[in-house]
Amino acid sequence: GESVGLHLPTLSVQEGDNSIINCAYSNSASDYFIWYKQESGKGPQFIIDIRSNMDKRQGQRVTVLLNKTVKHLSLQIAATQPGDSAVYFCAENTGPNFGNEKLTFGTGTRLTIIP
Amino acid sequence: DGGITQSPKYLFRKEGQNVTLSCEQNLNHDAMYWYRQDPGQGLRLIYYSQIVNDFQKGDIAEGYSVSREKKESFPLTVTSAQKNPTAFYLCASTSGTGANQPQHFGDGTRLSIL
Repeated sequence: GESVGLHLPTLSVQEGDNSIINCAYSNSASDYFIWYKQESGKGPQFIIDIRSNMDKRQGQRVTVLLNKTVKHLSLQIAATQPGDSAVYFCAENTGPNFGNEKLTFGTGTRLTIIP
Repeated sequence: DGGITQSPKYLFRKEGQNVTLSCEQNLNHDAMYWYRQDPGQGLRLIYYSQIVNDFQKGDIAEGYSVSREKKESFPLTVTSAQKNPTAFYLCASTSGTGANQPQHFGDGTRLSIL
């Protein structure tokens, strides 16, 4: 079946450095992608999204890159802070209708910021 | 503040017992979702509802039931037929206006077996 996966399950980054979290997706028909941040004991928090007609989108300290040729998604976090430590999930829309009724999630990458 | 409220935060189930997890949203969202999260894994869709009085099975609906009598509420019942119910349950909602919109999540209910 279709799946969303991650290249690295854990990532440790020095505070102040930039981090890059990668995600591979397999459904070439997916047209919408989301990155979520999940802290321990809490629900996922929306970070940034991107539609398939774009290859880059920037937010506050975050950038998402989409490479449809190789079906790859990445999240870049600039100048990491201790509060960035969390598990990060990518999700792709696999719903056939109005675009968001079915998201498929990856297993997540645990990002640890080293002080 | 608008948001999604899940209760209780922790829940314990005895053998053969049904338990109901509450999810309420005041975001005026049309669509609501229930996910299950197991340790070290991503989220798996149990049920979703795009509109009041209508809901659809997700990928792992067996042993679960839902209702959507009000726009604001989407309770999930974990029945005795669900033999491995221990997990973190997450409720989400989205406006469902036809354009791609992110789902917004509550802070979950952790269900354990006594």
